[in-house]
Amino acid sequence: AQKVTQAQTEISVVEKEDVTLDCVYETRDTTYYLFWYKQPPSGELVFLIRRNSFDEQNEISGRYSWNFQKSTSSFNFTITASQVVDSAVYFCALSEGTGGGNKLTFGTGTQLKVEL
Amino acid sequence: ETGVTQSPTHLIKTRGQQVTLRCSSQSGHNTVSWYQQALGQGPQFIFQYYREEENGRGNFPPRFSGLQFPNYSSELNVNALELDDSALYLCASSLDGSRTYEQYFGPGTRLTVT
Repeated sequence: AQKVTQAQTEISVVEKEDVTLDCVYETRDTTYYLFWYKQPPSGELVFLIRRNSFDEQNEISGRYSWNFQKSTSSFNFTITASQVVDSAVYFCALSEGTGGGNKLTFGTGTQLKVEL
Repeated sequence: ETGVTQSPTHLIKTRGQQVTLRCSSQSGHNTVSWYQQALGQGPQFIFQYYREEENGRGNFPPRFSGLQFPNYSSELNVNALELDDSALYLCASSLDGSRTYEQYFGPGTRLTVT
């Protein structure tokens, strides 16, 4: 069975600090996709990134960067120079695609609070 | 490009009643998935519809049912509501039912069962 673990329930940082959100996953599939979504207080999940299991290159998008390490089954997310607008719940998710559609299995989320 | 929309925004129902939630997919998307998100939890997959057929189901009882229409909009129906059904219901659309494509989520419907 697939599983996503986000051990950090809540993180508080001061603006301009760097912060890393951890994600550990379990799957028996050899081909899979990993995702990060942001959920602001409004409730809508905002897509941030998709990474497939064959691409272990790290990715940077502005202040956001992702570190995918297959050896440790981790897909961590770093925000550099955090801002108040980054305050939200962040979810890591894993896709299951062996028939039956592309169900997403989500972690329990990490609440990030960025304060002035 | 119009994003995913859901209606209603909020809903209050009594235990035992039935409810229908609606979702319009993003333009060009033929696949819709529904998720239930209890307070403080991650979303849980309910089911997915691809070209009007159910294309995968999560661990939810049969009283959770759905439909997808020819324009790819979708409905989620829940019968015999229970208190534990209180949650945010999220709809997501994608270009097709494969895991190649990311899912884009709507703002959700907040259902409260009393």
